[in-house]
Amino acid sequence: RKEVEQDPGPFNVPEGATVAFNCTYSNSASQSFFWYRQDCRKEPKLLMSVYSSGNEDGRFTAQLNRASQYISLLIRDSKLSDSATYLCVVSFRYSSASKIIFGSGTRLSIRP
Amino acid sequence: DTAVSQTPKYLVTQMGNDKSIKCEQNLGHDTMYWYKQDSKKFLKIMFSYNNKELIINETVPNRFSPKSPDKAHLNLHINSLELGDSAVYFCASSPPGGAPYNEQFFGPGTRLTVL
Repeated sequence: RKEVEQDPGPFNVPEGATVAFNCTYSNSASQSFFWYRQDCRKEPKLLMSVYSSGNEDGRFTAQLNRASQYISLLIRDSKLSDSATYLCVVSFRYSSASKIIFGSGTRLSIRP
Repeated sequence: DTAVSQTPKYLVTQMGNDKSIKCEQNLGHDTMYWYKQDSKKFLKIMFSYNNKELIINETVPNRFSPKSPDKAHLNLHINSLELGDSAVYFCASSPPGGAPYNEQFFGPGTRLTVL
């Protein structure tokens, strides 16, 4: 099982729709969770951190379920500019080192 | 103005050559990283330095050697380049206080093509 797994998509949804992605992680000691966004041929940029109680930033809502070891991202009222690849990121410490794992990304395409 | 910069942006070279990629950040961050993104878009961490000290060293061939002359710079030197090294290499940095739990700021990437 991969350490971080995402549905690669692509998700192709109409403008204005609500879309949700899930990301599962295998290490129960994982401590920090993030969603990054990567546009084509560009660098990844932080979309939002994911907190235990869940958090919202405008049209974006992130949730963490530690029991089932997954995080989710919900995008409401999707815009054409939301088209991108969304990367799930999980990090944890082991011994004196740290580990950061990126998921392979979920491609989202918003159509007019 | 650029927060995390990398040079060169594109690098095309022959198999067997040695090349370097430079990275600089002007954000005052303590921690810097090198990532490799292959043709399948999978982004994998290679190295991380905190205040010039190596803290993450994933299983990469020892042909890859990072060098951090100071905390604002993290360069990547690659010896004896192979076809499989073709990828986009991203440098990133994160602020002090519990890295890697903080946001990472990525450079624009260096697209390496080995012929």
